[in-house]
Amino acid sequence: KNEVEQSPQNLTAQEGEFITINCSYSVGISALHWLQQHPGGGIVSLFMLSSGKKKHGRLIATINIQEKHSSLHITASHPRDSAVYICAPRSGGSNYKLTFGKGTLLTVNP
Amino acid sequence: NAGVTQTPKFQVLKTGQSMTLQCAQDMNHEYMSWYRQDPGMGLRLIHYSVGAGITDQGEVPNGYNVSRSTTEDFPLRLLSAAPSQTSVYFCASSYFEGAGSAFFGQGTRLTVV
Repeated sequence: KNEVEQSPQNLTAQEGEFITINCSYSVGISALHWLQQHPGGGIVSLFMLSSGKKKHGRLIATINIQEKHSSLHITASHPRDSAVYICAPRSGGSNYKLTFGKGTLLTVNP
Repeated sequence: NAGVTQTPKFQVLKTGQSMTLQCAQDMNHEYMSWYRQDPGMGLRLIHYSVGAGITDQGEVPNGYNVSRSTTEDFPLRLLSAAPSQTSVYFCASSYFEGAGSAFFGQGTRLTVV
């Protein structure tokens, strides 16, 4: 079973700060998802990446498959970025199973 | 709007009662799944389906039943509710298992008393 660790568990930032959320996992994977869970509970898929870096607006996700580590960065953070961010590594082989981290609660203050 | 529709949003059950959580998607996705989310834990897979007529167990299937008679619908049945099933439940769909774009329902907060 893939052990997924996210850090930090909680993060408070001031508007405009650069945010980094880390995700490490124990078993080799084929790809990794980053998800955003809004305060109201809804979950949105942000990225899936299997190598290198992906960028979407102010969000940047990176992954190092060899080191079993991924990071999610938010540039110029805004209060609307306040949410729980969840990483979910995807196993390889014929079964693309997701294992979910416990999430990082981000609060961005104005 | 296209997406995953999950109902109800909130439900309170008495121990021993049964109920069905509904999940429907209109994106013609083959893969649908149910998760539960508990405090201090990541989402855990209950059951999943890779297409109409095909279902399989996930990590925590006990006490739950599913069926997939159509591509669109994937209901989750609680056979005899227990307090341990108090949780937030999410339905999700994607083109295939682990696909880049997964769509989640809004969640059902279930309390079993």
